[in-house]
Amino acid sequence: AAGVIQSPRHLIKEKRETATLKCYPIPRHDTVYWYQQGPGQDPQFLISFYEKMQSDKGSIPDRFSAQQFSDYHSELNMSSLELGDSALYFCASSLGLGGGPRDTQYFGPGTRLTVL
Amino acid sequence: DAKTTQPNSMESNEEEPVHLPCNHSTISGTDYIHWYRQLPSQGPEYVIHGLTSNVNNRMASLAIAEDRKSSTLILHRATLRDAAVYYCILRDYSGGGADGLTFGKGTHLIIQP
Repeated sequence: AAGVIQSPRHLIKEKRETATLKCYPIPRHDTVYWYQQGPGQDPQFLISFYEKMQSDKGSIPDRFSAQQFSDYHSELNMSSLELGDSALYFCASSLGLGGGPRDTQYFGPGTRLTVL
Repeated sequence: DAKTTQPNSMESNEEEPVHLPCNHSTISGTDYIHWYRQLPSQGPEYVIHGLTSNVNNRMASLAIAEDRKSSTLILHRATLRDAAVYYCILRDYSGGGADGLTFGKGTHLIIQP
């Protein structure tokens, strides 16, 4: 079965640079979520989109922005990168808003961002 | 948000049942109980969820206390592949919306061969 695709899988950037992470949801899934997981930490929710509109917002820094496109893929844009942004970034997708089983989130393999 | 409490770690032997507890004493009537797990070097993975009744699927069973203040995830026959961090998460669907998951500390399950 098709899964969530994230690219790139690994990314190395310098401080103050920008980075763009991409997420391609499971076909027919219309909802996308972004999470950040620092070293030795639990995943933290950043932001979500449903039908190209922002749906929920977590602890996303102002330096980060995201959007969902007409084909439902999503991009997380990160500017003025800091050493503390080094983390695994997971994207998840689901089908539909709330409603119990339809809201099961399927996670991608993650993008490992290293800021030097 | 209602919070959950889980043991930091648990250890079990391969091919034996595993019972992972979760306390959620402030759960509201509209909160569903979800379990996700994260295997090493992978993204989290959905395991099971329930509201009031016990639930079974191919991965596990979920036993929910009658007062809903606690629940137990049951792996009937643990394998080495089940070694992961298990997260018990409450989700309120009453307001709608694609709400993010709030991951707590979770239980690190160690399986001994």
